[in-house]
Amino acid sequence: DAGITQSPRHKVTETGTPVTLRCHQTENHRYMYWYRQDPGHGLRLIHYSYGVKDTDKGEVSDGYSVSRSKTEDFLLTLESATSSQTSVYFCAIRPSGQANYGYTFGSGTRLTVV
Amino acid sequence: GDSVTQMEGPVTLSEEAFLTINCTYTATGYPSLFWYVQYPGEGLQLLLKATKADDKGSNKGFEATYRKETTSFHLEKGSVQVSDSAVYFCALSGMDSSYKLIFGSGTRLLVRP
Repeated sequence: DAGITQSPRHKVTETGTPVTLRCHQTENHRYMYWYRQDPGHGLRLIHYSYGVKDTDKGEVSDGYSVSRSKTEDFLLTLESATSSQTSVYFCAIRPSGQANYGYTFGSGTRLTVV
Repeated sequence: GDSVTQMEGPVTLSEEAFLTINCTYTATGYPSLFWYVQYPGEGLQLLLKATKADDKGSNKGFEATYRKETTSFHLEKGSVQVSDSAVYFCALSGMDSSYKLIFGSGTRLLVRP
């Protein structure tokens, strides 16, 4: 149903390699977010975007970069993967800069760094 | 900074029992409050929300009331079903320009037949 898809759904990679995760939306929403989910921590914000080429850091941005060259795509790159980046990554979108809007989430990417 | 605190889980209940999951928050201003649910292997889905004090959000038999005086947004359901087994997240929407959601750590609910 979703106007938001993440790829890949699962990935295993080796320590030190770069990894890129993709979030694609068909809703034409302005705001896009990357979170990671870890046991005991809930969801923590990595980076977010408020428009094409407009991005900013979240609370756990070290070791990650993002790019948004088109409204519909938001890429998350792990520059040199480490075992501490083993996690489930979620992308989310929201339509507007109003606080009463919730997010729509993708189905997640499970990343394992070995 | 803004934060959300949820009760530790797992919460284990028998079918048809009453459910309460506690959520309290710390925030400046008047945030919007949300409950999300995550079923195994899936992303989070919006369950309900409330945008101002004394508002009650409701959906699928779940309810939560925005209590500014106690900074709480507890989730309740009168009669749980096995299909309600999931992880529940309380969240608030901050008032800064990122409009990011700040999540609690989640509470796992297990409902036994």
